[in-house]
Amino acid sequence: AQSVAQPEDQVNVAEGNPLTVKCTYSVSGNPYLFWYVQYPNRGLQFLLKYITGDNLVKGSYGFEAEFNKSQTSFHLKKPTALVSDYALYFCAVRDIQAGTALIFGKGTTLSVSS
Amino acid sequence: DAGVIQSPRHEVTEMGQEVTLRCKPISGHDYLFWYRQTMMRGLELLIYFNNNVPIDDSGMPEDRFSAKMPNASFSTLKIQPSEPRDSAVYFCASSQTSERAEQYFGPGTRLTVT
Repeated sequence: AQSVAQPEDQVNVAEGNPLTVKCTYSVSGNPYLFWYVQYPNRGLQFLLKYITGDNLVKGSYGFEAEFNKSQTSFHLKKPTALVSDYALYFCAVRDIQAGTALIFGKGTTLSVSS
Repeated sequence: DAGVIQSPRHEVTEMGQEVTLRCKPISGHDYLFWYRQTMMRGLELLIYFNNNVPIDDSGMPEDRFSAKMPNASFSTLKIQPSEPRDSAVYFCASSQTSERAEQYFGPGTRLTVT
């Protein structure tokens, strides 16, 4: 069965510092991996995805994520955090072979202090 | 494109009443998903459709919940009778026909059952 884990409920970072939001996954086959962001009182917005190719994927708002097959991870990163990055971040995975729907993690709240 | 449209944005009802949530997906998208988000359970997939046909409804919590998609541009999620534990934010999302495709979420309907 496929699953995705976000080990941190909350990540705190100072404005201007780099940030990392962690995600690990478990699938029987090859994964498609996604990151979404949910700003307060809004729906989820797509940030970026890994399908194949380069392990470093760049997305919206300066975010990027690195696919690491050996560690089954897909951590979200940003070189410089902004106060406006405060939001709930979801990692999601789809098992290509299983043909199942997208499975979302529980979400990580990113808090940026000025 | 206006994106995924949901109505109403807020719904307050009394226990035992019927509630109908509505969704208009993005034109040209073949998949439609209904999710529920609560603090306790996070984001849960309730049901999804492909070309108006329900594919997986294993996430529908009880027989009180039902969903329909009479055509490619409209779907409803109905709760009858509603209970206080149904209080949540309900999201609709749509995507193109591709395992690689990201989902686009609507703004959600905040349901409160008193």
